[in-house]
Amino acid sequence: EAAVTQSPRNKVTVTGGNVTLSCRQTNSHNYMYWYRQDTGHGLRLIHYSYGAGNLQIGDVPDGYKATRTTQEDFFLLLELASPSQTSLYFCASSDGTGRKQNTLYFGAGTRLSVL
Amino acid sequence: GDSVIQMQGQVTLSENDFLFINCTYSTTGYPTLFWYVQYSGEGPQLLLQVTTANNKGSSRGFEATYDKGTTSFHLQKTSVQEIDSAVYYCAMRDYNQGKLIFGQGTKLSIKP
Repeated sequence: EAAVTQSPRNKVTVTGGNVTLSCRQTNSHNYMYWYRQDTGHGLRLIHYSYGAGNLQIGDVPDGYKATRTTQEDFFLLLELASPSQTSLYFCASSDGTGRKQNTLYFGAGTRLSVL
Repeated sequence: GDSVIQMQGQVTLSENDFLFINCTYSTTGYPTLFWYVQYSGEGPQLLLQVTTANNKGSSRGFEATYDKGTTSFHLQKTSVQEIDSAVYYCAMRDYNQGKLIFGQGTKLSIKP
């Protein structure tokens, strides 16, 4: 069973604050993803990565940076947080080969509030 | 660009009712289509994958079909139970891309 761990689970910051969300997966998956979840919008892709050092831009990247330091670790950075970034953030991973590539394994989420 | 539209934001049913959720998709590529389910307090998890037009996938009593002609795909269950209360997402992956695009989600509430 794939394991994806996100930290912190909850975070409160102020407008203009600097926030880093962490994600670690322990199944040697090469793809990792950051999504945000908002009522009425569902899950929207922020950034994703094929492997260590790789970064791909998703569908809602503005205001976010990401870095994939190892195969296991993927970070989402908000350098100047704004209230519009208040959301529930999910990290996910998937295998990059064949049919397994299609299954995303999600973490439990990080709830971020920007005051 | 690629997109997935899921119009039903909320569905309320009674136990043993029939469930039908519909999504439409738009892509210039070769899509693989999915249904994910998210229970309260958890991350989404894969429920079903449908890879062939007019071919059905099934899991946990749920059945998924897709119609290439109308670029739509559907999730159905003959008799829902209270444990099926969750948010259901349709999703699409283009063959040439490494990303999954999700619909807006349908929150299913089951009255006991």
